[in-house]
Amino acid sequence: VDLLESGGGLGQPGGSLRLSCSTSGFSFRNYAMTWVRQAPGKGLQWVSAITDDGDRTFYAASVRGRFSISRDNSKNILFLQMDSLRAEDTAVYFCAKASEGIFGLVTAFDSWGLGTRVTVSS
Amino acid sequence: SYDVTQPPSVSVAPGQTARITCSGEKIGSNSVHWYQRKPGQAPVLVMFDDDDRPSGIPVRLSGSNSGDTATLTISRVEAGDEADYYCQVWDFTHGHPVFGGGTQLTV
Repeated sequence: VDLLESGGGLGQPGGSLRLSCSTSGFSFRNYAMTWVRQAPGKGLQWVSAITDDGDRTFYAASVRGRFSISRDNSKNILFLQMDSLRAEDTAVYFCAKASEGIFGLVTAFDSWGLGTRVTVSS
Repeated sequence: SYDVTQPPSVSVAPGQTARITCSGEKIGSNSVHWYQRKPGQAPVLVMFDDDDRPSGIPVRLSGSNSGDTATLTISRVEAGDEADYYCQVWDFTHGHPVFGGGTQLTV
C-alpha cells in the first residue's frame, strides 16, 4: 500500500490550496479515506473523511464550510480542497486509508502517507 | 467534544515495560486504536480495536481497555520503540474520531 500526498506549499490567508493523495497497492474504491493534520509542535488532528463510494463526507468543525474532500475512484486519487485558509491551518497534512469502506465508530486508519506541508502566511 | 487525555511523556530503560495510557469518560465502551509516529515518518497503526495487532507488529505490544482508561503496553522496550504514540477513539457527540494529545516515549 502506497499513499503519496502532494499540493502543499505556501498559501495566503483567505486563499486556496488543493491537496492530492495518489494511491496504489490496494483496491481504492473499496475503502473510506481520511485526512489528518499535525500542526507544528502539536498532536494529530482529524480533518475530514469520505466513504468508499464518495457518497458521504465528514468534517471537523474547524474546517467545515471551508474544506471539501472528494475522490476519483477511476484514478485512485483522494483530494482535499482547502479554501478560506487561515494561519491555524498551517500543518503537515496526511492522507490515510481506512480499515473499511464505511466511516464509523470502529474505523481505524491502517496505512498513511508521509504528508505534505501547508503553510498559511502572508 | 470528547476529551481524551494522554501523559505527555513516558520514559523507560531498555528491556523494561512501558505503559502508555489514554483516559476518557467510559472509554472502555469505545474501540481504541493506537498509532506510532516517528519524526519524518508516516504514522503507523500499532493496535486496533483495543487489543488487536496489525500484521508485522511485534507481540511485545499489547493493548487493553476498560472503564475510563485504555493502555498500550510495550514489553522489553527497545531503542527503536522511541516515538510519539497517539490513541484514537470515536467522539459520539460530534460523530467523528478524535486523537489523544500524544505521548512521547523515551527509551
